Amino acid sequence: GENVEQHPSTLSVQEGDSAVIKCTYSDSASNYFPWYKQELGKRPQLIIDIRSNVGEKKDQRIAVTLNKTAKHFSLHITETQPEDSAVYFCAASGPAGGYQKVTFGTGTKLQVIP
Amino acid sequence: DTGVSQDPRHKITKRGQNVTFRCDPISEHNRLYWYRQTLGQGPEFLTYFQNEAQLEKSRLLSDRFSAERPKGSFSTLEIQRTEQGDSAMYLCASSSQGAGEAFFGQGTRLTVV
Repeated sequence: GENVEQHPSTLSVQEGDSAVIKCTYSDSASNYFPWYKQELGKRPQLIIDIRSNVGEKKDQRIAVTLNKTAKHFSLHITETQPEDSAVYFCAASGPAGGYQKVTFGTGTKLQVIP
Repeated sequence: DTGVSQDPRHKITKRGQNVTFRCDPISEHNRLYWYRQTLGQGPEFLTYFQNEAQLEKSRLLSDRFSAERPKGSFSTLEIQRTEQGDSAMYLCASSSQGAGEAFFGQGTRLTVV
């Protein structure tokens, strides 16, 4: 089955700096890569996603890149703000027995220091 | 609230007792997932329904766990003879057909004492 690895597990940045979180996946059939933000005690919420036919996607201060050949994808947050502090999960989704199965990474705890 | 809802939000139970959780997905979503999340970890897949059919169960789902989605709408997850290792956040998510994003409920936090 799919295996998703995520690095780093914790990340501290100064407010205004950029943050980068990297993930690798194992199943070349995976075709959809969402990123979720989870604040303490709250549900994971989708912040950006990318499909396998696209190499990069941007939404304001957040961007995601995908390298299908190397099977890795990354989340980039620019001009970080204290409210960006949360746990971020990458995920890979691909066909498995006729449906889309989502496998999550282990998470990155981002701390933005004011 | 038209999102995914889960009930109860918190459950404390004694070891050996049975517990049941409920998930109401977004109404037009035909896909429903159960995940378990322990502290510091990402959500781990437990099981998946497409409409009322349970299409996959993870090896994590022992015989003590059973899930149903009888009418293709809400789903229940039952844990029999709970153990301390079952303590976790149980998350439900739903999505529509195709490779669309999954929307999560707020979860049920289970504590087995």
